[in-house]
Amino acid sequence: IAGITQAPTSQILAAGRRMTLRCTQDMRHNAMYWYRQDLGLGLRLIHYSNTAGTTGKGEVPDGYSVSRANTDDFPLTLASAVPSQTSVYFCASSKTAFGRVNSYNEQFFGPGTRLTVL
Amino acid sequence: DAKTTQPNSMESNEEEPVHLPCNHSTISGTDYIHWYRQLPSQGPEYVIHGLTSNVNNRMASLAIAEDRKSSTLILHRATLRDAAVYYCILKGRRGGSQGNLIFGKGTKLSVKP
Repeated sequence: IAGITQAPTSQILAAGRRMTLRCTQDMRHNAMYWYRQDLGLGLRLIHYSNTAGTTGKGEVPDGYSVSRANTDDFPLTLASAVPSQTSVYFCASSKTAFGRVNSYNEQFFGPGTRLTVL
Repeated sequence: DAKTTQPNSMESNEEEPVHLPCNHSTISGTDYIHWYRQLPSQGPEYVIHGLTSNVNNRMASLAIAEDRKSSTLILHRATLRDAAVYYCILKGRRGGSQGNLIFGKGTKLSVKP
């Protein structure tokens, strides 16, 4: 059983370095999402993709970029990491962003990547 | 998306039922009530969802008030593995432009042996 995998599990990164967090799903889901979770706060949406080839900005997109070259992969890149990007990052996917009538659009989450920027 | 209000924390004894409340007084007619939970050091996972009628599945039951302004997630027999943060989320079936879930702070459930 795979579902959604994320890599790395954790990473310590020097400020100013570039970093790509990887996310892969094998459920052929059209929609994928990146959230960050900080202590005391709920998950906040960074970027999303409703289908391969399209991406959009979420609530907290600054300092992050994404690409969606195919259905399975949705990497998140920090071009120049800063300490405020220290967080736990979760990737998620769902069959579609817009649910069809009589179907539920459950979101599946990966195990997370714990990133520390020093 | 309408706002939800949940208690910050709750405690339960193992093997006893747990009732987790959620208030959503500004819910719209097309909003579904979703519950997800997040076990320690894991990503959130789906628990249950409903619109108007009470719902049951293998994990839990969802009781929805007649006016839909509140709901209760019911764990029939809490186990230690049910210790988690439980999130009550409102979202239309067709989602918004982003299709994402909007998480509040949730209720942290502790289960005592």
